Amino acid sequence: EPEVTQTPSHQVTQMGQEVILRCVPISNHLYFYWYRQILGQKVEFLVSFYNNEISEKSEIFDDQFSVERPDGSNFTLKIRSTKLEDSAMYFCASSEPFEVEQFFGPGTRLTVL
Amino acid sequence: QKEVEQNSGPLSVPEGAIASLNCTYSDRGSQSFFWYRQYSGKSPELIMSIYSNGDKEDGRFTAQLNKASQYVSLLIRDSQPSDSATYLCARMDSSYKLIFGSGTRLLVRP
Repeated sequence: EPEVTQTPSHQVTQMGQEVILRCVPISNHLYFYWYRQILGQKVEFLVSFYNNEISEKSEIFDDQFSVERPDGSNFTLKIRSTKLEDSAMYFCASSEPFEVEQFFGPGTRLTVL
Repeated sequence: QKEVEQNSGPLSVPEGAIASLNCTYSDRGSQSFFWYRQYSGKSPELIMSIYSNGDKEDGRFTAQLNKASQYVSLLIRDSQPSDSATYLCARMDSSYKLIFGSGTRLLVRP
C-alpha cells in the first residue's frame, strides 16, 4: 500500500541553524500539507501546497519557514533559523485530487538545542 | 480558529466492550469530519471519514455525525488492547486544512 515517507526520522540542531525536512508524498497525490505537533499538544496546520504554490499558511508559518517541491517526488519544509520553540514532530500529509482524506507520513522529530 | 473539542480521557474499557468517543465542533459550516488514531510517538492514522448526517460503519468502527447538534462520535465494537491509543477528531475547514481536537486517550484493559 502506498504511503507518505519522511526523512530524517529525528533531527537534532542548534538554535539558529537551518533545517530541511523532507517528504515524499503518495505518488498520485497532488495536494501536500505540513502539520506539526508540539509534545502533549494538538496537531496544528502549518501550510498547504498545490500546483507548485502555497494554497494557505497558518500564523505559525512565518518568514522563517518555506516549502518547496524541488522535483517530481519530494516536498520539503525549510526552517531558516530554528528557535527552541520549533521543537516538535513535523508531519507531512498528502491527498488525492478532488479527495479530502489526508494521509500522514511517520513524522520527523525536530529537537532544537 | 473555530475549535474541535474532545474529552482528554483516559477512557478505560474492558476488552470486548464498546468504546464510545465523542467530539463537538463550533463551526456550523463544517462538512467533512475525520477520526484519526495516534499511537504514542507515532503519526495520525486515518480510521474513518464522515460527511453526511447519520452512521457510517467500517468493520468494528462506526462514525456518527449530527450536524444539527454539532457532534461527531466514534464507536469501537469488540475493543482490543491494540486499540489503546489517542483518537483525534478533526474537521476540514473551507480551505481544506484539518483542524484537530486535542484527542481522547483510550485504554482497553485485557
